[in-house]
Amino acid sequence: QVQLVQSGAVLRRPGASVKVSCEASRYTFTGYYIHWVRQTPEQGLEWMGWINPNNGDTKYSQKFQGRVTMTRDTSISTAYMDLSSLRSYDTAVYYCARGYLDSRGPCLDNWGQGTLVTVSS
Amino acid sequence: DIQLTQSPSFLSASVGDRVTLTCRASQGIGSYLAWYQQKPGKAPKLLIYGASTLQSGVPSRFSGSGSGTEFTLTISSLQPEDFATYYCQQLNSYPRTFGQGTRVEIK
Repeated sequence: QVQLVQSGAVLRRPGASVKVSCEASRYTFTGYYIHWVRQTPEQGLEWMGWINPNNGDTKYSQKFQGRVTMTRDTSISTAYMDLSSLRSYDTAVYYCARGYLDSRGPCLDNWGQGTLVTVSS
Repeated sequence: DIQLTQSPSFLSASVGDRVTLTCRASQGIGSYLAWYQQKPGKAPKLLIYGASTLQSGVPSRFSGSGSGTEFTLTISSLQPEDFATYYCQQLNSYPRTFGQGTRVEIK
């Protein structure tokens, strides 16, 4: 079945940036958008944006615009989420998820296992 | 941004109970609503999309209904593995927002 495997937990200092990867397998990578969602105890689940692996088009939440960059490498079926100017409130579990769409509507049908990003001095 | 308000925030129920969770949107979203189940330390898992379409492999005791601004997720007979937190998400407009969750615990 569809698999999304994310990179491991990281610790970053305030002001630094982080790049999380999401390797897709067992489906056609370029056929489905990849979304990024983060989760904190305070804010809950927050949608960050998506990337279309087919052409690299992106859509970001206004909240993260200017700090987030989503890219992909189709040769290795991997999507990336880069978040810069990190602050303590960016400490969260970051998920990638596959976007699915049919006649009934869109959804996020498969999720990665999550990557804990800790921002601390 | 569209706000999603889930109620109740916490629900205590017994195995075999019928439970109904509600998600209200701050403006109409048609049927573009999904429900997810999340267990501690795990990623969310898709249960329902298009407000009422059961995701493949999800038990039929789960059902969804609603459109516009009011939606429900019903579990017809609660099983031990259903104790978890449930989230709704709207996919009608950007940003794609989530509700704050309903935690279902064993009575």
